[in-house]
Amino acid sequence: RKEVEQDPGPFNVPEGATVAFNCTYSNSASQSFFWYRQDCRKEPKLLMSVYSSGNEDGRFTAQLNRASQYISLLIRDSKLSDSATYLCVVNIPYSSASKIIFGSGTRLSIRP
Amino acid sequence: GAGVSQSPRYKVAKRGQDVALRCDPISGHVSLFWYQQALGQGPEFLTYFQNEAQLDKSGLPSDRFFAERPEGSVSTLKIQRTQQEDSAVYLCASSLGTGSSYEQYFGPGTRLTVT
Repeated sequence: RKEVEQDPGPFNVPEGATVAFNCTYSNSASQSFFWYRQDCRKEPKLLMSVYSSGNEDGRFTAQLNRASQYISLLIRDSKLSDSATYLCVVNIPYSSASKIIFGSGTRLSIRP
Repeated sequence: GAGVSQSPRYKVAKRGQDVALRCDPISGHVSLFWYQQALGQGPEFLTYFQNEAQLDKSGLPSDRFFAERPEGSVSTLKIQRTQQEDSAVYLCASSLGTGSSYEQYFGPGTRLTVT
């Protein structure tokens, strides 16, 4: 099993729709979780951190489910500009340090 | 302010050539990461520096890959005797702190094509 897994998509939804996708992780000791956004041929940029209690930033809501070891991202009232690849990022503790692991990304395409 | 910069942005190398990729992190950022990103995949971790110390190089795919950050700022990723499978985008990221909870700021990447 991969350390971080995402549905590659693509998710193709109309403008204004609500869309959600999940990311599962294998290491129960992981403590830090993030969603990054990557536009085509650009570098990844932090969208939001994911906190234990869940957090919201405008139209975006992130949730963490430790029992089932997944994080989710919900986008409400989607805009054309939300079209991008969304990368799930998890820290994997090992020894006295930890390593950051990226998922392969979920492609989202918003149509007019 | 200035973000993370990388050079060159594009590099074409003949198989067997050596290449050197440069990363200028955000000033004052302690942590520096190198990633390799193949088409359609997420970034794969290569190596991590805390200041000038290379604390983790477990992601380097072979001994042809070497990275350094001698003065704790600029870093260079060197690939010797390039192979076609080395073709990818090489991303550099820096973060202010040393913990995994800090946001990473990425540079634009170097797109390496080995022919």
